Order: sequence, then structure tokens, then C-alpha cells
Amino acid sequence: SQKIEQNSEALNIQEGKTATLTCNYTNYSPAYLQWYRQDPGRGPVFLLLIRENEKEKRKERLKVTFDTTLKQSLFHITASQPADSATYLCALGIDYKLSFGAGTTVTVRA
Amino acid sequence: DTAVSQTPKYLVTQMGNDKSIKCEQNLGHDTMYWYKQDSKKFLKIMFSYNNKELIINETVPNRFSPKSPDKAHLNLHINSLELGDSAVYFCASSPDLVDQPQHFGDGTRLSIL
Repeated sequence: SQKIEQNSEALNIQEGKTATLTCNYTNYSPAYLQWYRQDPGRGPVFLLLIRENEKEKRKERLKVTFDTTLKQSLFHITASQPADSATYLCALGIDYKLSFGAGTTVTVRA
Repeated sequence: DTAVSQTPKYLVTQMGNDKSIKCEQNLGHDTMYWYKQDSKKFLKIMFSYNNKELIINETVPNRFSPKSPDKAHLNLHINSLELGDSAVYFCASSPDLVDQPQHFGDGTRLSIL
């Protein structure tokens, strides 16, 4: 069966450290992968998109990697700040739709 | 200016009732979506429309009927509401069907009594 697993439901991290989130998938062949941020009571907000022929993408303090052999994406937040506290969702792009993982809730302690 | 707006924000109603949720986007996008986020926070696609044409209908009970009067609007009508319909429903839009970021509204919290 198809699965998208974001390991660690919750990640607690000290301000200034790097947060690393994992998205693993099985029985999917996504053409692209996206990461979103969701704050309580709000809709998801798009952060980064990476295609199957790309290894790495960066945007300010964010970095995403995509390994189609390992079937894994890593999402890094460097120099984390309390304002980065939120739930982060990975989403696989297949056949005109996005399939989302359950998310990892990140809490950055000051 | 809100890019993707949904109304109402909260909807509390009795089992068996019929209700509608409205969505409008002012981004000029061609594609719009409805998602359901349940209590376990999984976000699942229900429908997508591209230029008013239904593209995705994801094994959703036929009590749910989307309608797209124009590219900027996608409404969701739900008949005979059941307890299991309690969830947050999100509308989203994207410039096109494939390989595009999606812009989400802030959701409609539906509670069935």
C-alpha cells in the first residue's frame, strides 16, 4: 500500500539549532515534492517545491533535498527561531494531485 | 487582500441537514481544490477543478457536490450531513494543474451535532 511517513510527530529544538525533518514514502513515484507550513487554525502555506531531477533546493534558511532512490526528502531549518514553531507538511505530487503526510510539529525554544 | 477566502469560517449544524461552503480566489488561478483535514490532521484531496472542469473526484460520497460557477469560485454543497463529516475543509488554488504551489484558505470548521 502507498504510504507517506513524516517521522517524529513532534520535534523540540533549541533556538539557533538546525531542525531536520524527514519525509519517507513507499509505493509512490512522485514527479515533485512540496513542503508546507501550517499554523494552528490556519491553512497550509507553501514553502518549497523540488522536482524529481533536482537534488537540493534552498530558500533563505530553508533547505530541502530529494532522493528518489531512498524515496526520501529531508527538510532543514537552519538557525531556527521561535517564529519557526509550526507543523510542517510534506506533499508528493502525482497525477494532478498532492498527497500529504501527517506533518511534524516543530517547537523552537528560546 | 485575502487571496483564497472561504465562508463560513465555522459551521455547527445538526445531523441530516444540508449545508454549503463557499470559496473564492483573487489570484487569477486556473485550478481550485477542496481538501478535508480530519482530527488526525491528515489533509486529503476531495475534488479539483481546472477552468471550471472537474478533474479529480477522490472517492467522496455523492452527498458532496462541488460546483464551479467560474474560475474564481468553487463551492461545496453537502447533503444529509453525518457525524463523520466533522472536519476542517480547506479550499486551495494553483496557477495550473501540475507542478505548482497551492494557496490555501484558512478553512471551514464543520461540527455535526
